[in-house]
Amino acid sequence: GDSVIQMQGQVTLSENDFLFINCTYSTTGYPTLFWYVQYSGEGPQLLLQVTTANNKGSSRGFEATYDKGTTSFHLQKTSVQEIDSAVYYCAMRGKANSAGNKLTFGIGTRVLVRP
Amino acid sequence: EAAVTQSPRNKVAVTGGKVTLSCNQTNNHNNMYWYRQDTGHGLRLIHYSYGAGSTEKGDIPDGYKASRPSQENFSLILELATPSQTSVYFCASGDIPGSSYEQYFGPGTRLTVL
Repeated sequence: GDSVIQMQGQVTLSENDFLFINCTYSTTGYPTLFWYVQYSGEGPQLLLQVTTANNKGSSRGFEATYDKGTTSFHLQKTSVQEIDSAVYYCAMRGKANSAGNKLTFGIGTRVLVRP
Repeated sequence: EAAVTQSPRNKVAVTGGKVTLSCNQTNNHNNMYWYRQDTGHGLRLIHYSYGAGSTEKGDIPDGYKASRPSQENFSLILELATPSQTSVYFCASGDIPGSSYEQYFGPGTRLTVL
């Protein structure tokens, strides 16, 4: 079946630091990959969607790409701000989950940005 | 603006009691989902629905039932609540217009089973 592995549980940064979060995935065929962000007290919301390997998605200063060769995808931001403090989830719509448009989520990375 | 709402936002239940969590969406989406969120597990799919009258099992359906009486409403039912079901529950809706597979989440319900 489909699976997503997100290793980093928590990342603590200072403002203007570089953020990099990586996930690996397993599926057959060509996946659609996502990054969701969850701010305190809210539900997750879509940050980025990447549908083509080696193409970049970008939103709000964040960039995402995925590498089909290493079955990995990552999220990065050059200079984080305190308002970027949130939980970031990687997610995948793989072939096994395509019926019903289901997503498989990683465990989430809590990012804390200190002023 | 599209919206997913959940009620109640907080619930305390007793072991063995029945709990119903409700979700309403104004997105006119066909698909709706129930997830639970736990530290170390992320978001896990409990049940989902393709449309009114349909319910399907997700990855962790044991101990839960679902009901989709209309396009807008999707309920999650715990017939005999247990402390292990203490969690934050999220409802989401989604569809496939064009190439977007985005799911829209509600604000969550925090359930505590004592």
